[in-house]
Amino acid sequence: ETGVTQTPRHLVMGMTNKKSLKCEQHLGHNAMYWYKQSAKKPLELMFVYSLEERVENNSVPSRFSPECPNSSHLFLHLHTLQPEDSALYLCASSQDQEGAFLPDGYTFGSGTRLTVV
Amino acid sequence: DAKTTQPTSMDCAEGRAANLPCNHSTISGNEYVYWYRQIHSQGPQYIIHGLKNNETNEMASLIITEDRKSSTLILPHATLRDTAVYYCIVRPYNNAGNMLTFGGGTRLMVKP
Repeated sequence: ETGVTQTPRHLVMGMTNKKSLKCEQHLGHNAMYWYKQSAKKPLELMFVYSLEERVENNSVPSRFSPECPNSSHLFLHLHTLQPEDSALYLCASSQDQEGAFLPDGYTFGSGTRLTVV
Repeated sequence: DAKTTQPTSMDCAEGRAANLPCNHSTISGNEYVYWYRQIHSQGPQYIIHGLKNNETNEMASLIITEDRKSSTLILPHATLRDTAVYYCIVRPYNNAGNMLTFGGGTRLMVKP
């Protein structure tokens, strides 16, 4: 494990289901991110939380709802998804530091492979 | 952040050097070049970064042209485990916010 743990690793859900993806980091970081990686497409940044406050939402559909209860945990709540939402969902964390980007501290989890049927 | 252009895919023989190019002709003075790689079904992993001088670490070397409009990541002795997608990213070093934006990357296949 890299210090960022995602559960579950695999998830199959129907279009009417409600499920949640979980991400936990043990690195003492203060920023967390959700990315989506569809087949044959680049990684897309979905949500950014810094100091537990959402700072970016790249026009993600409302059927994806993030939650960051504390600096160590990040959730992605899913409801009424579509088959095209099937993808690898990656969580990352970093130490957001004014005045310096720390590239080697940007740590990804192994992802949740989501299939919507 | 400046846009980068990378070849979609490359092959390399095991044990040989892998040279992965990246064009970033619109790079500005406060932007660094960062390289990450993503092995299949894992999250991306940091490799190396630089501003204008060549850089080397235990994983790779980074060569940046004098005009900074392009760079090359060098894996000196590629192994099968280096098969991955390699991302070249250009972004400022010193602004608030650590968001990383990924392009398509180069899919490197190391062959025996």
